[in-house]
Amino acid sequence: DVKVTQSSRYLVKRTGEKVFLECVQDMDHENMFWYRQDPGLGLRLIYFSYDVKMKEKGDIPEGYSVSREKKERFSLILESASTNQTSMYLCASSLRSSGAQNGYTFGSGTRLTVV
Amino acid sequence: AQRVTQPEKLLSVFKGAPVELKCNYSYSGSPELFWYVQYSRQRLQLLLRHISRESIKGFTADLNKGETSFHLKKPFAQEEDSAMYYCALRDKSYGNKLVFGAGTILRVKS
Repeated sequence: DVKVTQSSRYLVKRTGEKVFLECVQDMDHENMFWYRQDPGLGLRLIYFSYDVKMKEKGDIPEGYSVSREKKERFSLILESASTNQTSMYLCASSLRSSGAQNGYTFGSGTRLTVV
Repeated sequence: AQRVTQPEKLLSVFKGAPVELKCNYSYSGSPELFWYVQYSRQRLQLLLRHISRESIKGFTADLNKGETSFHLKKPFAQEEDSAMYYCALRDKSYGNKLVFGAGTILRVKS
């Protein structure tokens, strides 16, 4: 029944490391999103993608990049991890014309700690 | 700019009491609003959307364009309603992305 899968539930990385967070969906959705979830700040959009090889910056893209080589997979990359990137990261997907109909489907999240 | 405001970080009520989780929005256009819920140790999931005018798990939400609000209500709270609730606005001008509020933790006490 799981439709959006994030590869890691917990990650601990060192400052300066390059970090890859992976997300895979099996619903043939065009849109995919990466949010970070922080107490008191809610969900903030990092990057999103309309289609393969397409990417758009969200509200807080600094320090992050993304890759979408296949429709089902959307990767978030922290080029050089810093302690202020310690957070819960949520991946989501939706149909291109969705929102009004089914909203987003979320993954279970990756809790990243940068030490 | 599009914005969603949830003024309460925490709402604590007794079982059987009415619940109202507040949400206000700022949007230059015809808004589409949603409520998402995250129960403990579960993924974030859609609770309801304003265009459907539905009632899910006893919750309802009415869009009030005059007050730019979309408050979530339930007449009688249950312990299993304890969760984090997010109000969200669909930004149709830019990729159909969702803009989320900061969230409200609902605690229902027995």
